[in-house]
Amino acid sequence: DQQVKQNSPSLSVQEGRISILNCDYTNSMFDYFLWYKKYPAEGPTFLISISSIKDKNEDGRFTVFLNKSAKHLSLHIVPSQPGDSAVYFCAASANYGGSQGNLIFGKGTKLSVKP
Amino acid sequence: DTAVSQTPKYLVTQMGNDKSIKCEQNLGHDTMYWYKQDSKKFLKIMFSYNNKELIINETVPNRFSPKSPDKAHLNLHINSLELGDSAVYFCASSQEGPLRREQYFGPGTRLTVT
Repeated sequence: DQQVKQNSPSLSVQEGRISILNCDYTNSMFDYFLWYKKYPAEGPTFLISISSIKDKNEDGRFTVFLNKSAKHLSLHIVPSQPGDSAVYFCAASANYGGSQGNLIFGKGTKLSVKP
Repeated sequence: DTAVSQTPKYLVTQMGNDKSIKCEQNLGHDTMYWYKQDSKKFLKIMFSYNNKELIINETVPNRFSPKSPDKAHLNLHINSLELGDSAVYFCASSQEGPLRREQYFGPGTRLTVT
């Protein structure tokens, strides 16, 4: 019963083009969403987040879009660069009783940006 | 300068042994976590500690025990290691706040049980 799903295990994009990574969730209690980037043999690195009160958050080349009615979020990277090649994890959190909740992670999408 | 550090990075041991993995954060965060990334690459929460209190404890075998000597450290002790414990273990930390819930991860410890 995966609560956070990343249905594309891999994505290949040409340098300079847009990368779009998708994530779906099932738990309507989730109210905070995050994207992490992970290189081999390293820990996940926080990229960008969005609260459920917003539908878009932008940070440089990275933009996260949230569609609450569809329980869907996406990460856009534009322009894509070879250094963006990594595994991208989507994560979600629910705020229970005023305390920070668990981060529930998707399985990840491996992005390859070709020069 | 490392924000969240773990030692060792690699750990190879035999079934039945007891081992520990250390974690330290210098970010001044008040909550620390342990995650397990299994062979299917899922990252799953195991424990978290806030002000020396265990606040999340998922369905993890009691052979696993977190120990926090102070706010900057959360060590993971594993007794009677089993083959299925082989995985990558990540430590993380966060500063609780109303608008931000990012967790910052260490580099991971790859545990191999033979």
